[in-house]
Amino acid sequence: QVQLQQSGPGLVKPSQTLSLTCAISGDSVSSNNAAWNWIRQSPSRGLEWLGRTYYRSKWYNDYAISVRGRITVNPDTSKNQFSLQLNSVTPEDTAVYYCARGTMAVRKGGDYLDYWGQGTLVTVSS
Amino acid sequence: SNVLTQPPSVSVAPGQTARITCGGNNIGSKGVHWYQQKPGQAPVLVVYDDSDRPSGIPERFSGSNSGNTATLTISRVEAGDEADYYCQVWDITSIHPVVFGGGTKLTVL
Repeated sequence: QVQLQQSGPGLVKPSQTLSLTCAISGDSVSSNNAAWNWIRQSPSRGLEWLGRTYYRSKWYNDYAISVRGRITVNPDTSKNQFSLQLNSVTPEDTAVYYCARGTMAVRKGGDYLDYWGQGTLVTVSS
Repeated sequence: SNVLTQPPSVSVAPGQTARITCGGNNIGSKGVHWYQQKPGQAPVLVVYDDSDRPSGIPERFSGSNSGNTATLTISRVEAGDEADYYCQVWDITSIHPVVFGGGTKLTVL
């Protein structure tokens, strides 16, 4: 059974960097069959995908255009986890942040998110 | 870009059938996935790849997808099914490759 355990601060000051970690058990961050995603949820934006990292003989990243330039998602193979860094945060980045495993759909391609972390409420405020 | 349209709310009596739709341009050509989210909890995958169920999800949950509409059907609705439901597709042409619908609040009367 795959489990994802999130950690990181719940309060970040404006203009600073939001950092979260997602520890994986029951799978490997280096799996050739999975992608490791970050999603956030707020009343104003709903569920919003932010980015992912995945390994297919080498490491790849994809990021949402809305946060590109501010976001980094990195794997940590030594600890079997992955992280989110979001720079220059503003109050609009206040949300519940989730990590999730992506698995490719067989029939029509594209990923679905089959395992999720517990969520972390991150508030951006001074 | 892909916009997925869901009704904000659906109400159904216990034991009846709930149908939650997800509209999108030619959505039938894409794999649609459905998530259930209860208050204060992370989303849970209930249907993937249009109509498959993950292990542990009751057979009462089923999905279909054709044309411009995908549908999540919940048969013999129980009080514990009350939750928000979200559809999701993968659309590489969108600004967000993982695209979610706005969500539907299912109320069990």
